[in-house]
Amino acid sequence: DAKTTQPPSMDCAEGRAANLPCNHSTISGNEYVYWYRQIHSQGPQYIIHGLKNNETNEMASLIITEDRKSSTLILPHATLRDTAVYYCIVRDMEYGNKLVFGAGTILRVKS
Amino acid sequence: ETGVTQSPTHLIKTRGQQVTLRCSSQSGHNTVSWYQQALGQGPQFIFQYYREEENGRGNFPPRFSGLQFPNYSSELNVNALELDDSALYLCASSFQYRGPTDTQYFGPGTRLTVL
Repeated sequence: DAKTTQPPSMDCAEGRAANLPCNHSTISGNEYVYWYRQIHSQGPQYIIHGLKNNETNEMASLIITEDRKSSTLILPHATLRDTAVYYCIVRDMEYGNKLVFGAGTILRVKS
Repeated sequence: ETGVTQSPTHLIKTRGQQVTLRCSSQSGHNTVSWYQQALGQGPQFIFQYYREEENGRGNFPPRFSGLQFPNYSSELNVNALELDDSALYLCASSFQYRGPTDTQYFGPGTRLTVL
């Protein structure tokens, strides 16, 4: 079972920041938080990952709370092409590199 | 840098048949993972191959099998196809040596329809 909880759907206005929350209250000390997104019928696209510190790359920022029980993915200026299902995943180290996907959040960016 | 590629893009089979799906890993990657994604659900882990051996398996029956070749490409074989095997099959490649930060990169998937 997925170790994360995400809202089923969110809407965001084009050009505004999209903030996608994720709860992972049972995360253990050596588990990373990964974010992927999947545009309709395509393969999941890697976005960003982190362990403890906040991370930023050309696509997004990842904010992890100090207790690591939740995180937020931030798309700073959402565009229509960011409409997708966003998956927050806690990396299960016990089973190697397996990614356990939940239902994700459907983000709809509207003009 | 070449990304992950999969073939074929789409496939239609009938119940009871066998199918082989193929995946070429991203340049520099040595590990391939396979996932099944049924319509409206998140991807489910099938198995992973590292150094041509199975390195972890999800809750899938033995009729799902795989191979990894010396060039790190991989095949997923499914025997005795059932209607519920209809899904998007995703391949992801990564580099595994040591440490947890080997990110998996996905291919575009193969859409299998079983009639």
